[in-house]
Amino acid sequence: DIQMTQSPSSLSASVGDRVTITCRASQSISSYLNWYQQKPGKAPKLLIYAASSLQSGVPSRFSGSGSGTDFTLTISSLQPEDFATYYCQQSYSTPRITFGQGTRLEIK
Amino acid sequence: EVQLVESGGGLVQPGGSLRLSCAASGFTFSSYSMNWVRQAPGKGLEWVSYISSSSSTIYYADSVKGRFTISRDNAKNSLYLQMNSLRDEDTAVYYCRGELSSGQGYFDYWGQGTLVTVSS
Repeated sequence: DIQMTQSPSSLSASVGDRVTITCRASQSISSYLNWYQQKPGKAPKLLIYAASSLQSGVPSRFSGSGSGTDFTLTISSLQPEDFATYYCQQSYSTPRITFGQGTRLEIK
Repeated sequence: EVQLVESGGGLVQPGGSLRLSCAASGFTFSSYSMNWVRQAPGKGLEWVSYISSSSSTIYYADSVKGRFTISRDNAKNSLYLQMNSLRDEDTAVYYCRGELSSGQGYFDYWGQGTLVTVSS
């Protein structure tokens, strides 16, 4: 199985901050990488697919980059509604997808 | 409005069985591949099972293979997960997820989840 490792596991930031979350795959996955946001008690919501494509309806302050084994999710200016847990997910070995362990983004 | 509504969760003893259902509306269910993804309390996301749009291709995670069975009924816009020989470690919120990649974009829909608790 392809292992996905996110860093950091948790992060404290303030409204207006620029935040970057990284995700590393245990092998090359080309650009088969999605990013999700999950709030407590809710289902995950797709933010970015194919490493850098913004899902319809997602604010442009979210962006993704990377290919191969190293990927990043950037939030350019944190808004109050962005405090949540973020997961990367590889679809290279679809349908046997795997997720990172999550990054909890908290208010400083 | 796209909706995926799971049902069938609950409390079951180890070794017991449950059948989860997922009712779809607001999109062409028969065109979408479907998955079950679970999340243990306070933990991350784990893919459980996949079924193609026509049911011709099915996959399971090693952790549930031989115990869980995925199926769908496109005429009823419904997805199912039959769970047998349940273990404590199967305790989780179970989400159904629909996925379609087309020329019009990438579509990814999730239900609100149903909680399965395996405990004596």
